[in-house]
Amino acid sequence: GAGVSQSPSNKVTEKGKDVELRCDPISGHTALYWYRQSLGQGLEFLIYFQGNSAPDKSGLPSDRFSAERTGGSVSTLTIQRTQQEDSAVYLCASSSGSGVGNEQFFGPGTRLTVL
Amino acid sequence: AQSVSQHNHHVILSEAASLELGCNYSYGGTVNLFWYVQYPGQHLQLLLKYFSGDPLVKGIKGFEAEFIKSKFSFNLRKPSVQWSDTAEYFCAVAPISGGYNKLIFGAGTRLAVHP
Repeated sequence: GAGVSQSPSNKVTEKGKDVELRCDPISGHTALYWYRQSLGQGLEFLIYFQGNSAPDKSGLPSDRFSAERTGGSVSTLTIQRTQQEDSAVYLCASSSGSGVGNEQFFGPGTRLTVL
Repeated sequence: AQSVSQHNHHVILSEAASLELGCNYSYGGTVNLFWYVQYPGQHLQLLLKYFSGDPLVKGIKGFEAEFIKSKFSFNLRKPSVQWSDTAEYFCAVAPISGGYNKLIFGAGTRLAVHP
């Protein structure tokens, strides 16, 4: 596609429910990143995928958070047993390579609200 | 821990005023530096970046930033702002020791430019 797409754009859920957020990277991009933006804060790195390599999960805030990337393309971020502090905008980005010189292109984000 | 500090959370200017947004980071090693911008209703996009060489870098729309290594700073400037510059601006760093652009973002600065 022309850019990174994410779905849903908005998600409202009840505390304790599981949610899945989807990211479609730019076609051909091998690197994919997830970030979280909480109210009044900057973007916080969550997880990074590069090709078939093991992902860097060092930014995941708890074991309730997990992500996978199927076939080296689409990625799903799953939050289990959601808590109110999980409310944030979840942003996905992709880049054409993994090197530090590769620009990350961001999607529109998914706004998650946990009631 | 690595961190990025943006000194101003909200800035209000009149058109044609000069702009300088501060950004400082804490990390002892070599970093790549970025400014991203998010216009209302749009995706986060890259404004400019510094990897090496001339510490004064120019980006899109007349923006520039200067890397001062001794001050761990990467301030964003524009000599004369326009109403269309109204947006949120994020400074980010990526330690190159990580091998990829694991971006660490500041909290952002909301700029409002009045006609």
